[in-house]
Amino acid sequence: DTAVSQTPKYLVTQMGNDKSIKCEQNLGHDTMYWYKQDSKKFLKIMFSYNNKELIINETVPNRFSPKSPDKAHLNLHINSLELGDSAVYFCASSQDMGNPGYTFGSGTRLTVV
Amino acid sequence: QKEVEQNSGPLSVPEGAIASLNCTYSDRGSQSFFWYRQYSGKSPELIMFIYSNGDKEDGRFTAQLNKASQYVSLLIRDSQPSDSATYLCAVNPTGNQFYFGTGTSLTVIP
Repeated sequence: DTAVSQTPKYLVTQMGNDKSIKCEQNLGHDTMYWYKQDSKKFLKIMFSYNNKELIINETVPNRFSPKSPDKAHLNLHINSLELGDSAVYFCASSQDMGNPGYTFGSGTRLTVV
Repeated sequence: QKEVEQNSGPLSVPEGAIASLNCTYSDRGSQSFFWYRQYSGKSPELIMFIYSNGDKEDGRFTAQLNKASQYVSLLIRDSQPSDSATYLCAVNPTGNQFYFGTGTSLTVIP
């Protein structure tokens, strides 16, 4: 059983489109995250949800909106995609905010053309 | 100044040697320190964490922390070709903040 699963694995889309990435964890963790990894391998946190409440909202454009229907799911919706949004997006989870040993999903490689 | 700095490498070591990976951080109040391994095209996986000054050993891996120097390192003994990957240092300064370095690429040469 995959602990943190995200779909799709690859996403190629045109500029201006709207897309969503889904994430689910079956670990019973309280906290879920979205990270963006650029071409230089730099991982930067975008959002954190603790038990369905937004805890961190780093300075990302408001075209990005996280949605958490329950503590096992954290989806990422992106409006009006831009070329600079091309990256690998990782979902992750941890037991709670005080225990940031993460389990990462396998990543979604987003390419905007 | 970046919160977490790593030498991007690439670092090459022969099989069987000790690989030494280094990381410095800017927030003196940081409490938790992590090392992740990321194979090409894969997601990061946690391999070590350390909270206290000194050494922590787990198999062939040793994490070393020196809070006075704001320095954390990872030693890999008896390096194997399967250790070839990018190693990411991560620091948890306080509460909800969590920062990754850009990673060091390690190649173990058979």
